[in-house]
Amino acid sequence: DQQVKQNSPSLSVQEGRISILNCDYTNSMFDYFLWYKKYPAEGPTFLISISSIKDKNEDGRFTVFLNKSAKHLSLHIVPSQPGDSAVYFCAASERGVLTGGGNKLTFGTGTQLKVEL
Amino acid sequence: DTGVSQDPRHKITKRGQNVTFRCDPISEHNRLYWYRQTLGQGPEFLTYFQNEAQLEKSRLLSDRFSAERPKGSFSTLEIQRTEQGDSAMYLCASSLSGLTYEQYFGPGTRLTVT
Repeated sequence: DQQVKQNSPSLSVQEGRISILNCDYTNSMFDYFLWYKKYPAEGPTFLISISSIKDKNEDGRFTVFLNKSAKHLSLHIVPSQPGDSAVYFCAASERGVLTGGGNKLTFGTGTQLKVEL
Repeated sequence: DTGVSQDPRHKITKRGQNVTFRCDPISEHNRLYWYRQTLGQGPEFLTYFQNEAQLEKSRLLSDRFSAERPKGSFSTLEIQRTEQGDSAMYLCASSLSGLTYEQYFGPGTRLTVT
């Protein structure tokens, strides 16, 4: 039962253009969403997040959009750079019952982004 | 400040042997998580601690797996009687409890069971 889905295993974009990575989820209890970037032989690196009470969050070249009614979120990278080439994971969390904070993250299967010169 | 560290980075073992991994979280973080990642998949949650208390364990964590965080600082993950299906990347992450959801990951331990 894949609660977080990234249906595009790979994406190729030219340098300077926009990269759009998509993610869908099925669990209505998810209330916080995160994007991680992963290089080979390294652990995932936190990139940007969004709470379910918002529909957009922006940080420099990275913007995450959330459409709760469609249970869909996307990560936009503008402009794309060769150093952005990595695997991008979408993750989601339910509010923790005990402390109100986040607990386990549920990850998608990742999208390999390649930014070409 | 150093980030999350894990040791060893790589481990090759024979089927049936026991292995133990260590994770040192970011010093002020009171929550510590273990995940497992196999090829082509995202990380899958195994268990987490708040201070020294183990608050949740996944169904993925069979009775051959045990995790501890004895003094609320570093944590160990032990796998007994390893099987080839245990071959994976084992990731540790830490965070501050409360209103923050962001978890910060270590580089992982790559386990190969032959």
